Amino acid sequence: AQSVTQLDSQVPVFEEAPVELRCNYSSSVSVYLFWYVQYPNQGLQLLLKYLSGSTLVKGINGFEAEFNKSQTSFHLRKPSVHISDTAEYFCAVTEVDNDMRFGAGTRLTVKP
Amino acid sequence: DTEVTQTPKHLVMGMTNKKSLKCEQHMGHRAMYWYKQKAKKPPELMFVYSYEKLSINESVPSRFSPECPNSSLLNLHLHALQPEDSALYLCASSSQGSIYEQFFGPGTRLTVL
Repeated sequence: AQSVTQLDSQVPVFEEAPVELRCNYSSSVSVYLFWYVQYPNQGLQLLLKYLSGSTLVKGINGFEAEFNKSQTSFHLRKPSVHISDTAEYFCAVTEVDNDMRFGAGTRLTVKP
Repeated sequence: DTEVTQTPKHLVMGMTNKKSLKCEQHMGHRAMYWYKQKAKKPPELMFVYSYEKLSINESVPSRFSPECPNSSLLNLHLHALQPEDSALYLCASSSQGSIYEQFFGPGTRLTVL
């Protein structure tokens, strides 16, 4: 069964700085990868997804991620963060006919 | 309409109460999910209804009982809950199983006294 590891539980960063949130997965078959964002006391909102095709995926709010099959990674990046990007970010993976598995989450805190 | 709605937003109940959480989507999705999320943790899958067929996470206690009256509605019936069941309960839907993105509702914040 698939699994996903988010390597950083907390990432503090200053406003307008670049950020990378790391995600690695393990699976023996083809996978589908997602990044979700959760603001306090809210549900999860999809930032971006990789199903097939181009390995560089662009999402909402200026985020992008790159699927790297050889390194089994799907890291999330943003070139310049805003205070409003402060939230919990979850990487998720699924295989065909399998349930979605979430990573433990990364708390991104953007400081002024 | 690309929204999943959940009611109520907040619920406080005693350990002897019976209550229900409701979830609704009008996107024509045929898979709906219940997740439990504790503070600072990822969502944990409880139940899946896919084409109105139920799949259960074996670790979920029987005091949680899902119901899918039709393809747009999903209920979670609660009975004799414990304080450790206090959490954010999230509903989600997807168009065709997990390989497509899941759309999440805002959640119900449940407190069991």
